[in-house]
Amino acid sequence: EAQVTQNPRYLITVTGKKLTVTCSQNMNHEYMSWYRQDPGLGLRQIYYSMNVEVTDKGDVPEGYKVSRKEKRNFPLILESPSPNQTSLYFCASSLSNRAQETQYFGPGTRLLVL
Amino acid sequence: AQSVAQPEDQVNVAEGNPLTVKCTYSVSGNPYLFWYVQYPNRGLQFLLKYITGDNLVKGSYGFEAEFNKSQTSFHLKKPSALVSDSALYFCAVRADTGRRALTFGSGTRLQVQP
Repeated sequence: EAQVTQNPRYLITVTGKKLTVTCSQNMNHEYMSWYRQDPGLGLRQIYYSMNVEVTDKGDVPEGYKVSRKEKRNFPLILESPSPNQTSLYFCASSLSNRAQETQYFGPGTRLLVL
Repeated sequence: AQSVAQPEDQVNVAEGNPLTVKCTYSVSGNPYLFWYVQYPNRGLQFLLKYITGDNLVKGSYGFEAEFNKSQTSFHLKKPSALVSDSALYFCAVRADTGRRALTFGSGTRLQVQP
């Protein structure tokens, strides 16, 4: 089954404790992206990657890192989480960066930073 | 900068009645428009998209959307609402220039009453 998977689905942590949220897709997609969803704000892009070893900042990159060492994986790293990073996070992928390509989303990771 | 407005936080409709969820956008260049639906504790599911051509786009689950270039709108419609359509709906736009980020509206909660 074609899908985007994320782990963990739920995470509670404390301020300053490094964490990684994994994202993997099995569709051989080139383009991958991370979004955060906050009430009343919709989804905002954090980082994106157009292919292996090619990543760039989205609209809200502060406090986040990403890497793209393999085509299928795109982990999101919070080096020193803070309470304002409490949010619902989604990973997405599409075949390419062409504007008409549909992005497919993972199930989401709900993060609480105390 | 591109943007999407969903003017209604919530839309209430009776089962069997037609529904409309409104969306207007602002983007430089040609717009590529998408509708996604989010059910509780689930990721975003793709409903439909407008790329070019016919202004009336048909999508999943009986939904359709009408692209209106002069009004910069892309309203989502369904002729007869079902209780199971109750969910959070997001409109999104992607430009064919720049980093081609997907910009989302703030979402509209659709409540279909039996």
